[in-house]
Formats: sequence, C-alpha cells, structure tokens
Amino acid sequence: QVQLQESGPGLVKPSGTLSLTCAVSGGSISSSNWWSWVRQPPRKGLEWIGEVYHSGSTNYNPSLKGRVTMSVDKSKNQFSLKLSSVTAADTAVYYCARSVSGWGLDNWGQGTLVTVSS
Amino acid sequence: QSALTQPPSASGSPGQSVTISCTGTSSDVGGYNYVSWYQHHPGKAPKLMIYEVSKRPSGVPDRFSGSKSGNTASLTVSGLQAEDEADYYCSSYAGNNNLVFGGGTKLTVL
Repeated sequence: QVQLQESGPGLVKPSGTLSLTCAVSGGSISSSNWWSWVRQPPRKGLEWIGEVYHSGSTNYNPSLKGRVTMSVDKSKNQFSLKLSSVTAADTAVYYCARSVSGWGLDNWGQGTLVTVSS
Repeated sequence: QSALTQPPSASGSPGQSVTISCTGTSSDVGGYNYVSWYQHHPGKAPKLMIYEVSKRPSGVPDRFSGSKSGNTASLTVSGLQAEDEADYYCSSYAGNNNLVFGGGTKLTVL
C-alpha cells in the first residue's frame, strides 16, 4: 500500500513562497502514475492545484498558473510544491495524492496546515 | 473554471438510501466519464469511493454506487450506517488536463 506524507513549514509570510514536499513510501514515484496536490481552505471545499509526472511533466490549475511549480526528486522518492506570492487566501490544509486511471486520486497524505500570516 | 455544484447537506436514517448530486456542464461532467467521489472525515485523508462515474476501488462497500445523466453525476449510499456520516466531494476532469471539484456535501446520519 502506497503511503504519502506531506512536510514543510506551517507558517509562511505574505508575498513569500510556500514550499511543501510529499514523501512516497511503499511504491516508486517512477511508476505510471501522476502525483497531485490538493488544498482545502478553512471551512471550504477541495481545490486541485496540479500534478506532476516522474518525467517532470506538469499540469496546473489555470487559476493558480504562474504561481505554481511542481517537481520530482526520484533519488528521494518524493515530489514537491512551490506556490509563490502567497496571500491569506492561500491558507489551507495541503494534501498530496496519487492520481490513477480516470483522474481519480486513490492515495492521499494526511494533509498539512499552512497558514499565511505575518 | 467554476466548481461543480453539490447540495450543502443531505441526510437519512440508518438503513435508508440517500443520493447526492453533482452538477457541472458539458465541458466537465457531461463531456467525460471521469467523475470521482470522495468521502472525507474531518481531520483525516479523503478516501476515493467511486471513480470513472461508477467504478468502486477495492475495499469500498457495494452500498456506494455512482451514476451520471447528462451534466449531473450522482452518488447513492444505500443501507446508511453511522460511519457514513462525512463530507462527500465529487470531482470531474474538465479538459485541458484540468480537474475540478465540487463544493462538498455534508451527509448526516440521523
């Protein structure tokens, strides 16, 4: 069973860059899966941020394009998210997840809360 | 893109059936058979319950079923149990390598 675990700073200053990493265990990040990031602002629904493939190919939510960068580190079996120019609206629980056939997300991390505040 | 439309809440008594709708457009729900449903207990990781409109991952009880008609997808939970109380989210492929979620439905087991 693949397991995912998010890590990164829980507090980011406005206008700064949010950086998170998702460690993959129990499976290889080089498998034929895409790897996604999803977030949930307080008291709101889920929002897909984007996905990355082990080759480095990416797809991003158009609403966040220009601020999002995703990458893969195959040597560490992990993938990362960077979100620049953050504001309070980017405060959310951030989840990493594995994408499977038909754009379903079948394995999720527990989530990590990132607060944007000075 | 706009989020898919779900009712904010739904409820049913133990043993009953409840259906949650997820309405989109011909550019997402209506255009592809790539609708998924997730169960989310607050504080825990979301769980995939249905993918590709009506397929169940291994381990998901057959009390959960999915369907689609036009631009609206539905999740039906039969034989409601107390542990089914959770937030449910739909998602759909929206073209151009983009995924969109619904706003979520809080299911209460009375």
